[in-house]
Amino acid sequence: RKEVEQDPGPFNVPEGATVAFNCTYSNSASQSFFWYRQDCRKEPKLLMSVYSSGNEDGRFTAQLNRASQYISLLIRDSKLSDSATYLCVVILSGGYQKVTFGTGTKLQVIP
Amino acid sequence: DAGVIQSPRHEVTEMGQEVTLRCKPISGHDYLFWYRQTMMRGLELLIYFNNNVPIDDSGMPEDRFSAKMPNASFSTLKIQPSEPRDSAVYFCASRSWTGPNTGELFFGEGSRLTVL
Repeated sequence: RKEVEQDPGPFNVPEGATVAFNCTYSNSASQSFFWYRQDCRKEPKLLMSVYSSGNEDGRFTAQLNRASQYISLLIRDSKLSDSATYLCVVILSGGYQKVTFGTGTKLQVIP
Repeated sequence: DAGVIQSPRHEVTEMGQEVTLRCKPISGHDYLFWYRQTMMRGLELLIYFNNNVPIDDSGMPEDRFSAKMPNASFSTLKIQPSEPRDSAVYFCASRSWTGPNTGELFFGEGSRLTVL
């Protein structure tokens, strides 16, 4: 089983739609969680951190479910500019905090 | 402030040749990561360093790959000999253990390698 798993998609949604992605992780020692965004032929960039209590940043909401070992990202009122690949990131606890990326979920917002 | 700087941005080489990719992390960052990205396998962690010391190289595909970090401001990833299946985008990223954003990795723009 992969350490971090995501549905690769693509998710094709119309503008204005709400879309949600999940990401599961296998190691219960995972400590920190993030969502990154990667545009085509560009480097990944941090979108938002995921806190235990859940957090929101404008149209984006991230949540963590430790019991079921998954994190989620909800995008409301999708814009064309949201089209990208969304990568979940898990950091293990411990001295050297290994960073693992999921393979990404591709989102295409359609006019 | 300058971000993570990688070179070359693009490299086309022939099978069997040696390839050296270079990375300058953000000043003050104590973690440096090398990733490889392909369509088929996504973003794979190859190796990472903490304070210039390799911590985990279990992602390095085989002995043809080697990475060094001789000082806090420079790292190399070398492939010798290169093979067509090594064609990918290689990203370097750095991170700080302390400070307000300890979880954030800052990526370079990547080195796109094509081995013919």
